[in-house]
Amino acid sequence: AQSVTQPDIHITVSEGASLELRCNYSYGATPYLFWYVQSPGQGLQLLLKYFSGDTLVQGIKGFEAEFKRSQSSFNLRKPSVHWSDAAEYFCAVGSYNQGGKLIFGQGTELSVKP
Amino acid sequence: NAGVMQNPRHLVRRRGQEARLRCSPMKGHSHVYWYRQLPEEGLKFMVYLQKENIIDESGMPKERFSAEFPKEGPSILRIQQVVRGDSAAYFCASSPNGQGGDTQYFGPGTRLTVL
Repeated sequence: AQSVTQPDIHITVSEGASLELRCNYSYGATPYLFWYVQSPGQGLQLLLKYFSGDTLVQGIKGFEAEFKRSQSSFNLRKPSVHWSDAAEYFCAVGSYNQGGKLIFGQGTELSVKP
Repeated sequence: NAGVMQNPRHLVRRRGQEARLRCSPMKGHSHVYWYRQLPEEGLKFMVYLQKENIIDESGMPKERFSAEFPKEGPSILRIQQVVRGDSAAYFCASSPNGQGGDTQYFGPGTRLTVL
């Protein structure tokens, strides 16, 4: 069965520092991988997605993620965090034969120190 | 270009009452997904619908929960005889093609509180 693990429940970084949020997935074939961001009381916004091609994916708001098949990982990175990046981040996996259904990780809450 | 609309945004029900949650997909999207987010947890898939059809309901509780997406009008998630454990945020998402690589666009959610 597909599964997604986000090992870090909560991360705090200083404004201007770099960020890496971890995501590991379990799936037999090549998955479709997504990162979404959720601000308090809001819905989810897509940051980026991967389903083929270049393993380094660029997204919105200066985020990027790298697909590493050998490590079953899809970590999210940002070189310099802004205070407005404080939110909850979700990694999700989908597959071709499941009609678009997404399996989400538990989420990582990001706090940004001034 | 309106996004995914959900209403109500907040819903309070007493135990035993019915809850009806509505979702209007983005214009041109005919695929709707419902997810539930319990406190301190990620989103869990509930059901996937196309117009007039339930495609995948593998995440739906077997009792009290039902969903529909009629030919005209919004998709409805219905919870009968609500219990405290139903308190959660319910999110609807839509996509244009229902394929694995499609981006799903999420609504703002309905936060259900059961007293």
